[in-house]
Amino acid sequence: DQQVKQNSPSLSVQEGRISILNCDYTNSMFDYFLWYKKYPAEGPTFLISISSIKDKNEDGRFTVFLNKSAKHLSLHIVPSQPGDSAVYFCAAIIQGAQKLVFGQGTRLTINP
Amino acid sequence: NAGVTQTPKFQVLKTGQSMTLQCAQDMNHNSMYWYRQDPGMGLRLIYYSASEGTTDKGEVPNGYNVSRLNKREFSLRLESAAPSQTSVYFCASSARTAAEGKLFFGSGTQLSVL
Repeated sequence: DQQVKQNSPSLSVQEGRISILNCDYTNSMFDYFLWYKKYPAEGPTFLISISSIKDKNEDGRFTVFLNKSAKHLSLHIVPSQPGDSAVYFCAAIIQGAQKLVFGQGTRLTINP
Repeated sequence: NAGVTQTPKFQVLKTGQSMTLQCAQDMNHNSMYWYRQDPGMGLRLIYYSASEGTTDKGEVPNGYNVSRLNKREFSLRLESAAPSQTSVYFCASSARTAAEGKLFFGSGTQLSVL
């Protein structure tokens, strides 16, 4: 039972354009949603998060949007840069539960 | 400041062999985790330790055991390796206050079971 789903295994975007990565979830009890970024041969690193009481959180070029009624969140990267090429994981957690649930990941490729 | 350190980085085992994956963190974090990453499956939680002296099962604990040796170290043991355990294993840690899901990961151990 996949509680967090990323339905696009890969995405290719031109440098300078907007990258939009999508994520859907099924458990309405999740309190926080996060995006992690992973380069080859490295561990995932935290990128940005959003609380379930908000609908938007922005950090520089990265913005996460949360639509609770649709159980959907998205990560926008503007403008996209070659260094953004990586695998992006969506994740969610019920506060205090200690169990972070990850999606399958989306491989983002930024083309020059 | 090394963060989360995992050893070894690569390992090849034969079916039935045993091994222990080591993990240590130097951030004085209370909670530690073991995840495995498989293609198309994302990261799945194997075991976690909310604090020194406690361990709990995650989503896929079968075939694994863990030991929280002290606050810094959390090891994962495969008693009798199987080909289905071929995967990349990540250790992670978080502060007690990081209930919002912010984890710090090691660089991973790539394990192949033949």
